[in-house]
Amino acid sequence: SYVLTQPPSVSVAPGQTARITCEGNNIESKSVHWYQQKPGQAPVLVVYDDSDRPSGIPERFSGSNSGNTATLTISRVEAGDEADYYCQVWGGSSDHWVFGGGTKLTVL
Amino acid sequence: EVQLLESGGGLLQPGGSLRLSCAASGFTFNNYGMNWVRQAPGKGLEWVSGISGSGGSTYYADSVKGRFTISRDNSKNTLYLQMNSLRAEDTAVYYCAKDLAPIGRYGMDVWGQGTTVTVSS
Repeated sequence: SYVLTQPPSVSVAPGQTARITCEGNNIESKSVHWYQQKPGQAPVLVVYDDSDRPSGIPERFSGSNSGNTATLTISRVEAGDEADYYCQVWGGSSDHWVFGGGTKLTVL
Repeated sequence: EVQLLESGGGLLQPGGSLRLSCAASGFTFNNYGMNWVRQAPGKGLEWVSGISGSGGSTYYADSVKGRFTISRDNSKNTLYLQMNSLRAEDTAVYYCAKDLAPIGRYGMDVWGQGTTVTVSS
């Protein structure tokens, strides 16, 4: 089955740029979606189809996808961005959704 | 307002059965695929099962195939997950989630608050 690999943690200072990666075999051929989950809350879709934002999501959140790596970029990071982030694709040869293992973003 | 509200979680013993429900409102329910996603304590998200808008197509993670059954009643705007032969490793918060688009795989844009299932002897 298709595997998505994320770094367990990323740390960034307020106002800086955070980049969270999601690695998968030839992931550029897939549509990648990203979710933010804060403690005790349900996930929120922040980027879909590699780089589109749902309504209500700040422009500070952006995405890209090339080769074997998709990236979620959060510009001008705020304390409120501290959360777990998950990538997701409709995966491989099977009719399955696949999530990455998640990345904990810490705002220093 | 688009909303999903899960119910039916609880504490039960290994081998038991449980049916989760997810009541939808604020959108044309039968136009959208729906999903169940779970999260074990302290762990990441795991997709469990999905169903097309008509209910004619269903999909399962390998970890639940043959034990769980997803279904929907479009007349009641409700999604279900019948869980049989439950195991300790099924312990998790179960979320229902709506596909973003009627066609295509564009992620899940609306999530419920989750319902907790605990399997323990």
